[in-house]
Amino acid sequence: EVQLVESGGGLVQPGGSLRLSCAASGFTVSSNYMSWVRQAPGKGLEWVSVIYSGGSTYYADSVKGRFTISRDNSKNTLYLQMNSLRAEDTAVYYCARVGGYCSGGSCYSGYFDYWGQGTLVTVSS
Amino acid sequence: EIVMTQSPATLSVSPGERATLSCRASQSVSSNLAWYQQKPGQAPRLLIYGASTRATGIPARFSGSGSGTEFTLTISSLQSEDFAVYYCQQYNNWPSPFGQGTRLEIK
Repeated sequence: EVQLVESGGGLVQPGGSLRLSCAASGFTVSSNYMSWVRQAPGKGLEWVSVIYSGGSTYYADSVKGRFTISRDNSKNTLYLQMNSLRAEDTAVYYCARVGGYCSGGSCYSGYFDYWGQGTLVTVSS
Repeated sequence: EIVMTQSPATLSVSPGERATLSCRASQSVSSNLAWYQQKPGQAPRLLIYGASTRATGIPARFSGSGSGTEFTLTISSLQSEDFAVYYCQQYNNWPSPFGQGTRLEIK
């Protein structure tokens, strides 16, 4: 059974740092694309970052240069290092596995087939 | 960057009736579109990917259609557990934005 469990959220002051973790079971993190998605209180979903199985990473403009996605293959765990945090970073952060399929000789990926329960990050003084 | 626009923002439908939700992309995303359901206090759940393929375990009353820039999620014969917020997401390229959501409420 696929499971994703986030941890590391909490209250942090503006300008501070926090590292989120996402422990995976039932599949191998390093063999999949993995992503972080966040949701500000009462708002919609916002994609944050993705790491490819090959190690390439991509970020939303809103977090580029401040957040870093990474993984520890030995622990089967995904991370999000968040620096220079701002009030607008306050949100529930979800980790998600990126799903994919092949059809007609082409392969497609980018949707999120499994999600964790989320961890709340609050940036406030 | 591609912008996803969902309509309506809120849809009021009676149990047993059909609900039709729309999602529009600012440029073509081919069939690289997914739909999610989110209930209060829960993580989103994948319903549809590839614009029309139901995810594992999703009931047949959920169906998706469309390609290019116009997409539709149809829920036939609404059940009580279907009242939630629904999001579309394009994954033709990164960044991968979501629509702002449609809240499906009981009429």
